[in-house]
Amino acid sequence: KAGVTQTPRYLIKTRGQQVTLSCSPISGHRSVSWYQQTPGQGLQFLFEYFSETQRNKGNFPGRFSGRQFSNSRSEMNVSTLELGDSALYLCASSSLPSGSDTQYFGPGTRLTVL
Amino acid sequence: LAKTTQPISMDSYEGQEVNITCSHNNIATNDYITWYQQFPSQGPRFIIQGYKTKVTNEVASLFIPADRKSSTLSLPRVSLSDTAVYYCLLAGSYGQNFVFGPGTRLSVLP
Repeated sequence: KAGVTQTPRYLIKTRGQQVTLSCSPISGHRSVSWYQQTPGQGLQFLFEYFSETQRNKGNFPGRFSGRQFSNSRSEMNVSTLELGDSALYLCASSSLPSGSDTQYFGPGTRLTVL
Repeated sequence: LAKTTQPISMDSYEGQEVNITCSHNNIATNDYITWYQQFPSQGPRFIIQGYKTKVTNEVASLFIPADRKSSTLSLPRVSLSDTAVYYCLLAGSYGQNFVFGPGTRLSVLP
C-alpha cells in the first residue's frame, strides 16, 4: 500500500505570494490532517478534513485554508505569505477522524518564504 | 486545550532501556495518547498508542497511570538507529484537540 504523498517536496516563495500544497492520503483513508512544523513552535495542528468537510481547525489566521476532494485528496493554501510561514508542512491520513485511529504522516513540504 | 511537556533531550547508550515521559495535566476524558518518532527531513512515524494502563507492541511499551496526567514511552535496548525526536500527541476520540508535545531529542551513544 502506498504511503501518504505530498507535493511538492520543496517550495520557495516570496512574501505576499500565495501557495498551494497537495496531499494524497493512503488509499481508503478518508481523514486528512495538516500540521505546521517549525523549530520554534514545534508541531502545530492546522486543520482536519473528513469526507470533504473541515471538522477541526487549529489556531491559525484565515490566510491558512484547505479543502478536501471527493477522492480524499487534500490541498492547503496559504495566501499573502509572510516570512514566518517558512516551515515544514506535514499532512497525515487516517481511516477515521478519531484520536484512537493511527495517523500516518507524509514526508512533508518544505516551504521557504524569502 | 491540554498542554503537554516533555524533556527537551536525553542521552543513552546502546543496549539500555530508555523511558521518556510526557506530562499532560489537563488531558480530556476522551483523549488518546500516541507517540511518534521523527528523523530529520521525514514525517513522524507511529510508535504506539494507548488510553490507559499499559500497552506493548513489538518496538515499545506505553505506561499510563490511572489519573492519565502523564504517559511514559519505554524503548527497550536502544540502538544507534533510535536516535531521533520523540513526540507525544493527545487527540480526542472525536478527532478534536490535536496537541503535540514539544518533542524529546534522544541521542543514543555507542
